[in-house]
Amino acid sequence: QVQLVESGGGVVQPGGSLRLSCAVSGFPFNSYGMHWVRQAPGKGLEWVAFIGHDGNNGYHADSVKGRFTISRDTPRNTLYLQMNSLRAEDTAVYYCARSTGGYCSGGHCYRDWFDPWGQGTLVTVSS
Amino acid sequence: DIQMTQSPSSLSASVGDRVTITCRASQSISNYLNWYQQKPGKAPKLLIYTASSLQSGVPSRFSGSESGTDFTLTITSLQPEDFATYYCQQTYSAPPWTFGQGTKVEIK
Repeated sequence: QVQLVESGGGVVQPGGSLRLSCAVSGFPFNSYGMHWVRQAPGKGLEWVAFIGHDGNNGYHADSVKGRFTISRDTPRNTLYLQMNSLRAEDTAVYYCARSTGGYCSGGHCYRDWFDPWGQGTLVTVSS
Repeated sequence: DIQMTQSPSSLSASVGDRVTITCRASQSISNYLNWYQQKPGKAPKLLIYTASSLQSGVPSRFSGSESGTDFTLTITSLQPEDFATYYCQQTYSAPPWTFGQGTKVEIK
């Protein structure tokens, strides 16, 4: 059974740091790229970051570039999102999701879909 | 970046109704368009990938189609469990992967 379980969310002050984890099971972790997606309260979905199956091809949304870093630990079957210099506008539920069906080439990625998703972890940035 | 525009933003419908949601891409994206369903407090769930392929386990009352840069999600006979928010997503050229703003389907 494929499972993605996020953890690490919580309340942090502006300017602070937090590391999210996504523990996966039920599929060969080193065969799939992985995404982080977030959803601010009452808002839509916003893609945050992607990492390729082999740890290469790491991409971040402009809104988090230079502050967030996606990584993965294959032996631990775990995906991470290191979040630094947090702002109030980073307050959201953060989901990890598996990238399925696509491929990356020449700095672009194509035709994947996000399935499945974890249950999400809430990050609140507030003083 | 490719922009995705969904319409309507919300709609009210009754059980048994046929419901259509549209998503327009700001440029050609071939058929690299996915649809997700999200219920309150839950993670999104994949319904349809590459415009018209039904994800395993998703009821056949859900279908997707395309016409140029316009994409449609159709629910042929709305069921009580279908009341949710639906998002389209393009994966033609990423990064960034972009979503539509969502369509909330409510009970009339």
